[in-house]
Amino acid sequence: QQQVKQSPQSLIVQKGGIPIINCAYENTAFDYFPWYQQFPGKGPALLIAIRPDVSEKKEGRFTISFNKSAKQFSLHIMDSQPGDSATYFCAATPQTSGSRLTFGEGTQLTVNP
Amino acid sequence: DTGVSQDPRHKITKRGQNVTFRCDPISEHNRLYWYRQTLGQGPEFLTYFQNEAQLEKSRLLSDRFSAERPKGSFSTLEIQRTEQGDSAMYLCASSLLSTGELFFGEGSRLTVL
Repeated sequence: QQQVKQSPQSLIVQKGGIPIINCAYENTAFDYFPWYQQFPGKGPALLIAIRPDVSEKKEGRFTISFNKSAKQFSLHIMDSQPGDSATYFCAATPQTSGSRLTFGEGTQLTVNP
Repeated sequence: DTGVSQDPRHKITKRGQNVTFRCDPISEHNRLYWYRQTLGQGPEFLTYFQNEAQLEKSRLLSDRFSAERPKGSFSTLEIQRTEQGDSAMYLCASSLLSTGELFFGEGSRLTVL
């Protein structure tokens, strides 16, 4: 019930490509879905988040697509750059739980020059 | 710097020793969280505070672990009688009650020899 499944585990794209990372959840009580970016040796940094009342959210080159009926959401990175190379985590929480996040296992993205 | 601050950044200890980590959250944030992250995995929730009250503890938090937030500001996480399996990155995060957006510190890496 608390699991968030993330795929793929790793992803390699060329500069300018559009990597897509997918997540699926089971708990229908989840109502807040953030994405975090983590560089080696650093803590996760909030990238973008969505609530289930919208199907898409864009912030700069980052877009979340959300499918409530399928219980899936995905991150798209437009015009990817080598500086986007990092590990990306999806997460979810029922806000009534005090925002305790359940994280996916992460996707290691490499953007080649 | 007004972000979440953690100290020490890296601790190496021998099995059986006690260690303590400190977290200073963003000053106006009333919620504080502790997570643990092992290599190649997403962060796992340990516990969280709202002001000085510890509201939830994960089953991951064995009797050897204790966390405090005595005045609703900084927090400490103590691990007694460390084991090699405790080796991980310990992440602290804070948030405002109203937004639920978690901001993470850079973590305290524990290595138990």
